[in-house]
Amino acid sequence: GDSVTQMEGPVTLSEEAFLTINCTYTATGYPSLFWYVQYPGEGLQLLLKATKADDKGSNKGFEATYRKETTSFHLEKGSVQVSDSAVYFCALRSGGTSYGKLTFGQGTILTVHP
Amino acid sequence: KAGVTQTPRYLIKTRGQQVTLSCSPISGHRSVSWYQQTPGQGLQFLFEYFSETQRNKGNFPGRFSGRQFSNSRSEMNVSTLELGDSALYLCASSLDSDYGYTFGSGTRLTVV
Repeated sequence: GDSVTQMEGPVTLSEEAFLTINCTYTATGYPSLFWYVQYPGEGLQLLLKATKADDKGSNKGFEATYRKETTSFHLEKGSVQVSDSAVYFCALRSGGTSYGKLTFGQGTILTVHP
Repeated sequence: KAGVTQTPRYLIKTRGQQVTLSCSPISGHRSVSWYQQTPGQGLQFLFEYFSETQRNKGNFPGRFSGRQFSNSRSEMNVSTLELGDSALYLCASSLDSDYGYTFGSGTRLTVV
């Protein structure tokens, strides 16, 4: 079945540091890939997405590239801010009849200190 | 543009009771999915509805059920509550499965 593996956290960084959160996946066919962010007490917000190989998703300084050959979708940001502190989830949606079903990784807690 | 609205935000129930959670999707969105989020199991897919029809279902017992109305609003019901049902229940809506999903803030259910 489908699965998503994220790097274990938590991740603690100083403001303006470079961020990488690794994500690899296993899926049948050609899934769509997503990064979601969850702030304390809130639901999930879509951060970025990519729907085919070599696509790069980007938003608010975050980027991730769909790498089919390594089945990866690593999240990066060049300079993090305190306001980026949150939980980050990598997710995939397989094609076909997987209507509405996102398969999530376990989440990575990011804490950014001033 | 209003987002996905889930009610109530918090709920405390006793073991053996049943509960109904509500989700109002973004206007125009016809696909509604439900997820359970717990510290131990993470985010798990419950089911998805599109135009009042359940198109997909996760691996949850029959105590978990849902429905969708003609205005796309959705409800999920959990009968005979167990302590392990304590979780954050998230609803997400989309135009259809090929688009991104927008999540609500969730309903925090505590079973005592």
